[in-house]
Amino acid sequence: AQRVTQPEKLLSVFKGAPVELKCNYSYSGSPELFWYVQYSRQRLQLLLRHISRESIKGFTADLNKGETSFHLKKPFAQEEDSAMYYCALSGTGGFKTIFGAGTRLFVKA
Amino acid sequence: KAGVTQTPRYLIKTRGQQVTLSCSPISGHRSVSWYQQTPGQGLQFLFEYFSETQRNKGNFPGRFSGRQFSNSRSEMNVSTLELGDSALYLCASSPTSSGNTIYFGEGSWLTVV
Repeated sequence: AQRVTQPEKLLSVFKGAPVELKCNYSYSGSPELFWYVQYSRQRLQLLLRHISRESIKGFTADLNKGETSFHLKKPFAQEEDSAMYYCALSGTGGFKTIFGAGTRLFVKA
Repeated sequence: KAGVTQTPRYLIKTRGQQVTLSCSPISGHRSVSWYQQTPGQGLQFLFEYFSETQRNKGNFPGRFSGRQFSNSRSEMNVSTLELGDSALYLCASSPTSSGNTIYFGEGSWLTVV
């Protein structure tokens, strides 16, 4: 079955500390992985997708097909990174996009 | 380009009633998906429409239904409302049906009393 797992519901770090939000997936085909972010009082929006291999707002994520993971990382967290982060999986052939349960990141001053 | 627009933004309904939510996708987008967002369950996939056809369906009871019109606008309907249907309903659109970034609306907040 297709599944996205985000094991941490809440992650709290201090400003300037490294942060890693974990995401594991289960999918039999060729996955498309995404990270979406929801800042306070804003709509859910794309942060980055693995296929573009970009670094957005200092965040990076590497698709590890062997470990079926797509962890989101940032070397130095900022207070404005506090938000809800969702890992998402899509695929080919009309496969829908499904989301993990989300991880709330709280960056403390 | 205008973003995904959802109406109404907020509504309160009584148990047993039915509700219709509307979504206008980004111009040129042919795929519309609906999600239910709750604090306990996160984002749950309801269904996806592409070119007026339902392509995918989540694990929700038959009380939840939807449709898409020829202009790609979509509606979802929930009949015989239950207290547990209280949630934020999000609509998202994308150019095609899979593997693309999806763009979300601000959602419709439904409260069932």
